[in-house]
Amino acid sequence: ETGVTQTPRHLVMGMTNKKSLKCEQHLGHNAMYWYKQSAKKPLELMFVYNFKEQTENNSVPSRFSPECPNSSHLFLHLHTLQPEDSALYLCASSQETDQETQYFGPGTRLLVL
Amino acid sequence: QKEVEQNSGPLSVPEGAIASLNCTYSDRGSQSFFWYRQYSGKSPELIMFIYSNGDKEDGRFTAQLNKASQYVSLLIRDSQPSDSATYLCAVAGAGSYQLTFGKGTKLSVIP
Repeated sequence: ETGVTQTPRHLVMGMTNKKSLKCEQHLGHNAMYWYKQSAKKPLELMFVYNFKEQTENNSVPSRFSPECPNSSHLFLHLHTLQPEDSALYLCASSQETDQETQYFGPGTRLLVL
Repeated sequence: QKEVEQNSGPLSVPEGAIASLNCTYSDRGSQSFFWYRQYSGKSPELIMFIYSNGDKEDGRFTAQLNKASQYVSLLIRDSQPSDSATYLCAVAGAGSYQLTFGKGTKLSVIP
């Protein structure tokens, strides 16, 4: 276990649904990240939060909405997703954002029907 | 566009042999280099990181970095079937938190 937990581990949703992914880190880190991993594609960074402030949004569609209420918790709110959004969504954390090692959670396997 | 290239494999090696995994990157300003292992259906786990040119050893793993050639490699000595996984190379620029990942190399260690 890396000290980063994610729930749910698996999620199936329709295109009109609204759901949220949750990430919690127990490492005392200050930076948290959302990544998307699709088959046969590299890991794609979606969002970065440093001390609860969003510092990066990598041109992610607005149907993905992050929320970081504190340095230990990170959410990804999902609405009106498309089938091509089906992927493994990974949360990671690091002590700071400057070249620090990132530790990954187990991921949420999302299927959009 | 920063790119990290890895041979997708699969790379098959017999048990006990040395597995050599290679990675090239396009951004000459890259400063930090990471190797992650990802088992099927699992999340990436960090194996090693390297910042300086040369070799860094940790148990059966050795990371090698050559910034002039923009090349980083991972050697696994005495390969075990449990090493069978996809190995991801990740690169970060100076003062940057943004890791650019390669697509990964799938390693298969044959008993």
